[in-house]
Amino acid sequence: AQSVSQHNHHVILSEAASLELGCNYSYGGTVNLFWYVQYPGQHLQLLLKYFSGDPLVKGIKGFEAEFIKSKFSFNLRKPSVQWSDTAEYFCAVSSTGGFKTIFGAGTRLFVKA
Amino acid sequence: DAGVIQSPRHEVTEMGQEVTLRCKPISGHNSLFWYRQTMMRGLELLIYFNNNVPIDDSGMPEDRFSAKMPNASFSTLKIQPSEPRDSAVYFCASSLQQGHEQYFGPGTRLTVT
Repeated sequence: AQSVSQHNHHVILSEAASLELGCNYSYGGTVNLFWYVQYPGQHLQLLLKYFSGDPLVKGIKGFEAEFIKSKFSFNLRKPSVQWSDTAEYFCAVSSTGGFKTIFGAGTRLFVKA
Repeated sequence: DAGVIQSPRHEVTEMGQEVTLRCKPISGHNSLFWYRQTMMRGLELLIYFNNNVPIDDSGMPEDRFSAKMPNASFSTLKIQPSEPRDSAVYFCASSLQQGHEQYFGPGTRLTVT
């Protein structure tokens, strides 16, 4: 069965620190990969996605993620976080052509000003 | 584009009452998803539809929950009778194609007293 594991449930960083959030998935076939962000009191919004091609994907607000097929990983990175990046981040996986998307449990990021 | 529309945004009801949550997906999207989010259980997929047909309702917690999609532009999630433990934020999401990114609505915050 498909599953998504996010390594950290809570992360606290100071402004300007670098961010890396881990995501590993379990699925044997071809996958589509996503990172979503949920700001406090809001709904989930797409940060970036990977379907195929260049494994380094750039998203909105300076975020990027790298797909490493051999490690079944899709880690999210940002070189310098801002207070406004405080949010919960969800990694998600769907099988190519599949209906269902599996979400990870989420990582809550708090950025200290 | 108006995005995914949900109503009501907030609902407060008493235990035992029927609750109906509504969702209008983005025009042209053929997949629709209902999620529930709580602090304790995180984000849970309740049910999803493809081309108005329910594909998987295994996430529906009990028979008290039911969902319909009578046409491509409207879906309802009904809880009857409601219980305090149903208190949560309920999100509707739609996607253009199976396996693609989902667009979430603003959510309905349900409080059952």
